[in-house]
Amino acid sequence: GQQVMQIPQYQHVQEGEDFTTYCNSSTTLSNIQWYKQRPGGHPVFLIQLVKSGEVKKQKRLTFQFGEAKKNSSLHITATQTTDVGTYFCAGPYNAGNMLTFGGGTRLMVKP
Amino acid sequence: DAGITQSPRHKVTETGTPVTLRCHQTENHRYMYWYRQDPGHGLRLIHYSYGVKDTDKGEVSDGYSVSRSKTEDFLLTLESATSSQTSVYFCAISGGQEMTPLHFGNGTRLTVT
Repeated sequence: GQQVMQIPQYQHVQEGEDFTTYCNSSTTLSNIQWYKQRPGGHPVFLIQLVKSGEVKKQKRLTFQFGEAKKNSSLHITATQTTDVGTYFCAGPYNAGNMLTFGGGTRLMVKP
Repeated sequence: DAGITQSPRHKVTETGTPVTLRCHQTENHRYMYWYRQDPGHGLRLIHYSYGVKDTDKGEVSDGYSVSRSKTEDFLLTLESATSSQTSVYFCAISGGQEMTPLHFGNGTRLTVT
């Protein structure tokens, strides 16, 4: 079955430093989604990428979808304590009816 | 946030007992999902539904069953709970095909002793 891998599993950064998490799929994806889960909370949808090589920005967050549509990344510039949480990527399979999540990257920010 | 309510929010039960978790939505969305979240495993799909009485298995469906008799309700049942089913369970809904984004409920923390 399809696998979605994320690295790193954990990341500690000093406030103000940049952060990147990487997502790799074993198969080509029609699209990829990113979610954020705050500690004790539920996953919240951030963005969806569809096109090969697509880059989207949300304030300090930059999302990229690889040319081969098998990998993606999320980059946060100048992290803040409000960025703390676990970031998940997810890709569809089974004709789009199911979403497979990566294991997530837990971001911790030291003030 | 989308109108999704999970109940109960917390439950402690003994091994071998049946447990039912409920997900209720007010969005009239077609697709509903049950995920479990465990440290080191991320979110794993248990079962999903694509309409009333239409359900299918996810990647970790053993030991679980589901029912959807109304659009708004999706029930997850553990027929005979085991300690390996201790987890946080999330319900999610989606409005369309080809993976329109999921909206998650607040989760149910289940402990099986």
